Amino acid sequence: GAGVSQSPSNKVTEKGKDVELRCDPISGHTALYWYRQSLGQGLEFLIYFQGNSAPDKSGLPSDRFSAERTGGSVSTLTIQRTQQEDSAVYLCASSSGSYQETQYFGPGTRLLVL
Amino acid sequence: AQSVTQPDIHITVSEGASLELRCNYSYGATPYLFWYVQSPGQGLQLLLKYFSGDTLVQGIKGFEAEFKRSQSSFNLRKPSVHWSDAAEYFCAVGMEYGNKLVFGAGTILRVKS
Repeated sequence: GAGVSQSPSNKVTEKGKDVELRCDPISGHTALYWYRQSLGQGLEFLIYFQGNSAPDKSGLPSDRFSAERTGGSVSTLTIQRTQQEDSAVYLCASSSGSYQETQYFGPGTRLLVL
Repeated sequence: AQSVTQPDIHITVSEGASLELRCNYSYGATPYLFWYVQSPGQGLQLLLKYFSGDTLVQGIKGFEAEFKRSQSSFNLRKPSVHWSDAAEYFCAVGMEYGNKLVFGAGTILRVKS
């Protein structure tokens, strides 16, 4: 595809359930980022993958959040035991991995926890 | 800690008028600065970026931004606003390690005809 794609575009879940959000980066991009956009916190960094290096998880808000990247391409962000405060838009971005290269963002997944 | 401040939450301008969106950053090292735009229901689109060199940066859609180290600012400008420019604008600073972005709170631009 031409750009970063994310699925689902919208997700409604009940408090306490687990959710998985998917990101397909631009083909050939080695760096992948997850950000969260919420009313109270604005846009905040969650996690960063670069090639085969250990991911930078410094932005994950709690141990209920985890992410993996399989085969250096697709990434899944998992939120366990969702809480209402997890409601937000989750944005994925990818870049070529070169130093300070532009990050290209997907359309996001809008998560609503009831 | 690194931070980005966008002091204006909302700005309304008339179509055809000039625009300036303010951005101030706090970062100890050489800043790498970005402006992104987000239209309703859309992802973030890069307008322009500054890494080094000429402090006046040209971007897409007729936007430009000027880096002023003495003022720790990176304000976004456009000489004549179009109705299609109505969106939310985010200023961001790139971290040297890991390239992760720290964003400002955003400025919502409304364009009145």
